[in-house]
Amino acid sequence: QKEVEQNSGPLSVPEGAIASLNCTYSDRGSQSFFWYRQYSGKSPELIMSIYSNGDQEDGRFTAQLNKASQYVSLLIRDSQPSDSATYLCAVFNTGGFKTIFGAGTRLFVKA
Amino acid sequence: NAGVTQTPKFRILKIGQSMTLQCAQDMNHNYMYWYRQDPGMGLKLIYYSVGAGITDKGEVPNGYNVSRSTTEDFPLRLELAAPSQTSVYFCASSPNPFQDRHEAFFGQGTRLTVV
Repeated sequence: QKEVEQNSGPLSVPEGAIASLNCTYSDRGSQSFFWYRQYSGKSPELIMSIYSNGDQEDGRFTAQLNKASQYVSLLIRDSQPSDSATYLCAVFNTGGFKTIFGAGTRLFVKA
Repeated sequence: NAGVTQTPKFRILKIGQSMTLQCAQDMNHNYMYWYRQDPGMGLKLIYYSVGAGITDKGEVPNGYNVSRSTTEDFPLRLELAAPSQTSVYFCASSPNPFQDRHEAFFGQGTRLTVV
């Protein structure tokens, strides 16, 4: 079982719709969770971080964490073509004190 | 505000050659990481360091070596380059994970081709 799993996509949504991205992780001791956005040919950039169960909102982005289900998600409201990118889920693993990334989900927002 | 600086940006190596990818950060972060990203794939952890003098293997360490003599620098050494090491390499740093916010900050990447 991979430590951090994501659907590779691509996920295609129309402009203005809600995009929903999902991630599961295997280490129950994980304490910190991050969503990064990566445009083609660029380095990852942080868009959301979440450290406790529930929702964390920042503008059009909402991160949701459910530690009991080992599940973290990212919702993008009012999706824009500029949101088209690969979204990487990352988990800080307390067992080894390191940050592990999922394979990423490609998102396409159609104008 | 340089953040994380990687050099070089691009490099072509011949099979069997060696090279060092440089990474420096000016944010006084204890944690530093090296990842590789193959085309269309996610990030695989090669090595990481929790402070000067302390390093540990990640998911794909074979064929690489690291050192951490200072807080600022975390070079990655490739010995006997192989075509399988063709990839984009990212260096990242983060604050102590027990701080309130400890997300990783990335360098701009090094695109390496082994021919």
